[in-house]
Amino acid sequence: GENVEQHPSTLSVQEGDSAVIKCTYSDSASNYFPWYKQELGKRPQLIIDIRSNVGEKKDQRIAVTLNKTAKHFSLHITETQPEDSAVYFCAAQGQYGNKLVFGAGTILRVKS
Amino acid sequence: DTGVSQDPRHKITKRGQNVTFRCDPISEHNRLYWYRQTLGQGPEFLTYFQNEAQLEKSRLLSDRFSAERPKGSFSTLEIQRTEQGDSAMYLCASSGGQEDIQYFGAGTRLSVL
Repeated sequence: GENVEQHPSTLSVQEGDSAVIKCTYSDSASNYFPWYKQELGKRPQLIIDIRSNVGEKKDQRIAVTLNKTAKHFSLHITETQPEDSAVYFCAAQGQYGNKLVFGAGTILRVKS
Repeated sequence: DTGVSQDPRHKITKRGQNVTFRCDPISEHNRLYWYRQTLGQGPEFLTYFQNEAQLEKSRLLSDRFSAERPKGSFSTLEIQRTEQGDSAMYLCASSGGQEDIQYFGAGTRLSVL
């Protein structure tokens, strides 16, 4: 079955710097890759997603890139702010299944 | 609130007791998912419904776990004879339409003493 690995497990950046989180997946048939942000005690919230027919997607300070050949995708946050501090999860969804397979998460700390 | 709602938010039970959780999806969504999340980990898939049909179950879902979605709207997840290892956050998500994005509820945190 699908396996998703996520790195790093923790990331500390200075306010205003960029943050990059990387994920790799194992099933080449996976075609949908969402990113969720989860603050302490709250629900995971979708922040951006990408489908396998595009290589990059951007929404204000957040961007996601996908390399299907290498089977990896990355989240880029520019001009980080303290409110970006949270746990970020990547996930992959297979072509024939609806379940999401999640990475283990990245704790992002933005220091002001 | 038009999002996914879960009840209760917290449940404390003694080992061996049965517990039941409820999930109300976003009203127009026909797909409903249950995930389990333990501390420091990402959500793990448990089971998935399309309308009232349970279409997929994870091997994580032992015989003590059962889920239903009788009318294709709300869903319940029951755990029988709870064990300490069942302590976790149980998340529900729903999706629908062409984009089929999964939206999560706030979860039910289960503590088995």
